[in-house]
This record gives sequence, structure tokens and C-alpha cells, in this order.
Amino acid sequence: EPEVTQTPSHQVTQMGQEVILRCVPISNHLYFYWYRQILGQKVEFLVSFYNNEISEKSEIFDDQFSVERPDGSNFTLKIRSTKLEDSAMYFCASAGQFGEKLFFGSGTQLSVL
Amino acid sequence: QQQVKQSPQSLIVQKGGIPIINCAYENTAFDYFPWYQQFPGKGPALLIAIRPDVSEKKEGRFTISFNKSAKQFSLHIMDSQPGDSATYFCAATILDNYGQNFVFGPGTRLSVLP
Repeated sequence: EPEVTQTPSHQVTQMGQEVILRCVPISNHLYFYWYRQILGQKVEFLVSFYNNEISEKSEIFDDQFSVERPDGSNFTLKIRSTKLEDSAMYFCASAGQFGEKLFFGSGTQLSVL
Repeated sequence: QQQVKQSPQSLIVQKGGIPIINCAYENTAFDYFPWYQQFPGKGPALLIAIRPDVSEKKEGRFTISFNKSAKQFSLHIMDSQPGDSATYFCAATILDNYGQNFVFGPGTRLSVLP
């Protein structure tokens, strides 16, 4: 079964540093998302991406966040200057033509020290 | 308006019991209501979903009941097994809005005792 792949599985960084979280969505999918989850709690929406542009973003997704789909296969989330409160599990998800079924990756656990 | 409420926060049942998880929403524009199951260290996985034109949907041991007038929907797990122990999230979205975000409830941690 096709799956969404995320790398790295764990990322430790110092406060103020830039991090890039990488995702390879399912190949024929059209809709791409980043969510985050703090300590196994609520799954929070960050951003959705369709047709090479951001469709929607949440209040969490401020100017320090950006997304890219540089080569038609990878989908990245960049955090420019990490803060302690950015520590969370970040999930990438993708959905196919009708957008109804989200497939999630296994996540990247980001720890900001 | 965009919030989805979910209860209970945690639930413990004996094997064979029927746990019920409830969700409520405010935004009447929502037209797709999935349930996701998450095991520790894994991403959420779609379990079952319903659209508001039906009041019930059943897939195997999992059933969604939907009450459009009350803006509520619930997940029932028949003959629950220890392997069903996981966190369950309800969600809602407007499916026809391309790239519309899925709004998740806060989750219910289910433990099924052997």
C-alpha cells in the first residue's frame, strides 16, 4: 500500500535555528498538508497546499513557517527560527483527487532546546 | 465555528464492550466527517467516514451515527478488542473546498482491557 514518508523521524535543534522537515506524499495525490501534535494531544492544522500554492493556513503558520514542493515529489516545511514552543510531532498528509481521505506519515518529532 | 468538540477524553472498557465516542460541531457547512485511529508513535489513519446525507454508516465493527439536526456524530465499536486500544479523533471538513483543512477533535484515548 502506498504511504507518506517523512524524514527525519526525530530532529533536535537549538532555539533560533532553522529546520526543514521533509515529506514524500503519495505519488498521484493532489492535496498536501502539514499538521502538528503536541504530546499526543490535539492534531492541529498548519497549512494546506494545492496546485503549487497554499490553499489555507492557520494562525499557527506565521511568517517563520514556509512550505515548498520543489521538485514535484518532495513537500517540505521550513521553520526559520525555531522557538521552544515549536517542539511537537509534525505530520505530513496527502489526499487524492477527491480530497476526502487523508493519508498521514509517521511524523517527525521536533525537539527545540 | 471551526471547532469540533469530542468526549470523553479517555475511556476504558472490557473486551467485548461497546465504547461510544461523541463529537459535536457548529459549522453547518461541514459536509464530511471522518474518524481517525492513532497508535502510539504513528500518524492518524482513516477508520471510517460519513457524509450528512445518511444517518448511519457501518464498516465491520465500526459504526458512525450521525444526527444532522443536533450537529452531532458518534463512533461505536462493537465487540471491542485489546487491539482497538488507541486514540480516536473525529474530524470535519468542507469537502468541496479544495485544500480545505480538516478540523480535528481533541481525541479520545481508548483502552480495551483483556
